[in-house]
Amino acid sequence: QVQLQESGPGLVKPSETLSLTCSVSGGSVSSPTYYWSWIRQPPGKKLEYFGYIYYSGTTNYNPSLRSRVTISIDTSTNQFSLKLYSVTAADTAIYFCARTTASGYYFDLWGQGALVTVSS
Amino acid sequence: SYELTQPPSVSVSPGQTASITCSGDNLGDKYACWYQQKPGQSPVLVIYQDDKRPSGIPERFSGSNSGNTATLTISGAQTMDEADYFCQAWDSSTAVFGTGTKVTVL
Repeated sequence: QVQLQESGPGLVKPSETLSLTCSVSGGSVSSPTYYWSWIRQPPGKKLEYFGYIYYSGTTNYNPSLRSRVTISIDTSTNQFSLKLYSVTAADTAIYFCARTTASGYYFDLWGQGALVTVSS
Repeated sequence: SYELTQPPSVSVSPGQTASITCSGDNLGDKYACWYQQKPGQSPVLVIYQDDKRPSGIPERFSGSNSGNTATLTISGAQTMDEADYFCQAWDSSTAVFGTGTKVTVL
């Protein structure tokens, strides 16, 4: 059974970089069947898509966030990561990693989520 | 940017049918999917590609998509179906989520 688990600091200072890692167990990020995505949910608000990465390193980013985001993948550790630069309080949210099917582009598996608060 | 609009809330009595709409420009030309999210939990896919149910999702969940509206229907709603529901589609290679609907079963 494939599982995703987010990890990283729960508190980030304004203007700094938010870094999160998603560890995949029970499956491989090198599978050609899936893309690996990041999504967030500010408190009480709707979900917001950051982007995805394929095992080959190909990426797709949300244009509204592209200038501040980098998604990377490490097939040797079976992990993929998110970096969000120059954060503000508006970036406070629960951050989810998710698996996206390459055939249908739906998010069929999600991590439990990691709350990240931006505050000094 | 593309937007998907849902009603903030829907109420249904146990055993009755709940319909949740998701509106967006020419949404019927895209694939829509639906997620269920209970408090403190991550979303769970309940419908994909307009009307398909993932393994393990009860048959009471069904979907349709035409024109500007996608609809999630819960037939014979149960108290365990009480949750937030989000629609999602892709526009210009970007995943877009709906505003979310809180379904209350009482």
